[in-house]
Order: sequence, then C-alpha cells, then structure tokens
Amino acid sequence: AQSVTQPDIHITVSEGASLELRCNYSYGATPYLFWYVQSPGQGLQLLLKYFSGDTLVQGIKGFEAEFKRSQSSFNLRKPSVHWSDAAEYFCAVDTGGGNKLTFGTGTQLKVEL
Amino acid sequence: GAVVSQHPSRVICKSGTSVKIECRSLDFQATTMFWYRQFPKQSLMLMATSNEGSKATYEQGVEKDKFLINHASLTLSTLTVTSAHPEDSSFYICSARDGRGAGGVPDTQYFGPGTRLTVL
Repeated sequence: AQSVTQPDIHITVSEGASLELRCNYSYGATPYLFWYVQSPGQGLQLLLKYFSGDTLVQGIKGFEAEFKRSQSSFNLRKPSVHWSDAAEYFCAVDTGGGNKLTFGTGTQLKVEL
Repeated sequence: GAVVSQHPSRVICKSGTSVKIECRSLDFQATTMFWYRQFPKQSLMLMATSNEGSKATYEQGVEKDKFLINHASLTLSTLTVTSAHPEDSSFYICSARDGRGAGGVPDTQYFGPGTRLTVL
C-alpha cells in the first residue's frame, strides 16, 4: 500500500527566511501528488498539485514544489515566508486517480517575527 | 473558489447518543463526497466515499453501522455517528469533488472546515 512520510513534525522559521517542507512517498509508480495547508477553523486548502510534465510546479501564495522521481520526493518550498504562512501543511498522494487521498502526518509551521 | 461547509463545527454529546454531521457544497454540485477522520497530531484517514444516490463505500476497518453516511442530493452528505462512545471523539472532515473523475485524473477536492466531536 502507498504511504506518505513527512519527516518534520514541527518547523520554525523566521519571517522572510526560506522554507522547505519535506515529503516522501512510497509507491511503485508515479502517484498524483498534492500539498494542502490547514489553518485553524478553515478547511484544507490546495496549494499545488503534480500530475505529470514539468517537475517544478507553482502554486498559490508563492509556494512551489519539485517532484523528484529518483528520491520519491515532493518537497514544498517558499523563498520568503510570511507570518500568515503559519499553519499545518499536509502532503498527499492519489495513486489511482480516483480521488482517494493518502495523507502524510503533517508539518506544523511556526513563523517567528 | 468552491466552498464546502460543515455543520456543526463543534458538538459535545453523551455516550450512547447519535450525532449527525452535515457536509454541504455551497456553490457546486458534488457527485462524490469524502469523509475523513483526523486524530490529534495525526494525519487525515479516509473513512468512506459517498456517491450521490448510492450507498457509501467504506474503507477497511471502518464500521458502516457505526458511521452512517447518506448522500441524498448533489450538495449534501451527512455522517451520523450512532451510539457514540468516547473513542469516537475526533475531528471529522468532509470533502467534495467537482467532477466525475473522467480520464483517471483526480478532480479537485474541496474540504470543509471540520467538525470537532467530543463524546462524554
């Protein structure tokens, strides 16, 4: 069965610093890959997704992610973090295209002013 | 963007009672809705897939008689936790997709804000 690993439970960065959140998946083929953000009181919001093509994908709020097949990774990056980016971030995979998502355990991002 | 609402946002009930949670797609029709459960500091676990007008498909290990799902319209799905017990306390999240999954490519899923259930 497929699995998703987010090795960092908590990350703290200073506002304006760069950010990279790690995500690794376990699956025989290339899955469909997603990054979601969850803020308190709000539903998960899709930041970006990768289905095929260019391995560097751009998302909303200045986020980007790079798919690396050799490393089974889909890390999320942002060049300059804003205080409003503090939230929980989830990586997810869909291995069959049927919208059944498998989520990682999430990374809680704290931004220091 | 598409909006999914959940009601209530928070509910406290006594052990043995049943609780109904509603999930609505406000500005689009959702042929399929999904119900997840999220434990503290843990990931979202898919409980079931709900298709409008048909029976829900439950994931392995999820008791279908405990978690009743009804998807009677294209904009509403309900999850009823029957005879709730303290171990059912959790954060329940629904999502809805805006397509039919044609071509084997995932449609965009829109998530509700979640419902915090506490069973005393």
